[in-house]
Amino acid sequence: ILNVEQSPQSLHVQEGDSTNFTCSFPSSNFYALHWYRWETAKSPEALFVMTLNGDEKKKGRISATLNTKEGYSYLYIKGSQPEDSATYLCAFIDYGGSQGNLIFGKGTKLSVKP
Amino acid sequence: DAGITQSPRYKITETGRQVTLMCHQTWSHSYMFWYRQDLGHGLRLIYYSAAADITDKGEVPDGYVVSRSKTENFPLTLESATRSQTSVYFCASRAGTANTGELFFGEGSRLTVL
Repeated sequence: ILNVEQSPQSLHVQEGDSTNFTCSFPSSNFYALHWYRWETAKSPEALFVMTLNGDEKKKGRISATLNTKEGYSYLYIKGSQPEDSATYLCAFIDYGGSQGNLIFGKGTKLSVKP
Repeated sequence: DAGITQSPRYKITETGRQVTLMCHQTWSHSYMFWYRQDLGHGLRLIYYSAAADITDKGEVPDGYVVSRSKTENFPLTLESATRSQTSVYFCASRAGTANTGELFFGEGSRLTVL
């Protein structure tokens, strides 16, 4: 069974702090990695879909990097704001995986204090 | 409005009863998915569908039945609900066939089985 690990499980930062968290996944047969942002009482929304080793993607103050050879992705938030408070999910699919089978991590819950 | 909607949003039922959760999307996306979300677990795939009349099992399909007679609808049925099926259920859709496509999630259906 493929496993996707996210760390830390939760994170509390002050407004203005920059932060980052990790998604680890099996490095063999990599196909794609997704990042989603999930606010409380809402549904997950896609941030990034990454496919190439060394890929870096950016959306505003949020960016992500991908290392498929060692099996990890980092999500960075620069200058955290209270509205960044959410759970951040990563999801992995391997090359041999079925079309449906995105494997989700348990998420990193970020709380940003004003 | 365009989007993906789930109904009911909240449901309480008793053990042994049949329950159907509805999912409707207006984009004509090919792929649709049902996930469940439980404490201590990431989102886990129950069933998915690649197109009308094509469905396949995910990681945790036991006790669930799906159908997809029309592209826009993907109902999930619990034929005889059990307490272990108390969960939050998310429907999602994806355009195209590539796993690089992002998922679009519904708002979730919270099911309690007494």
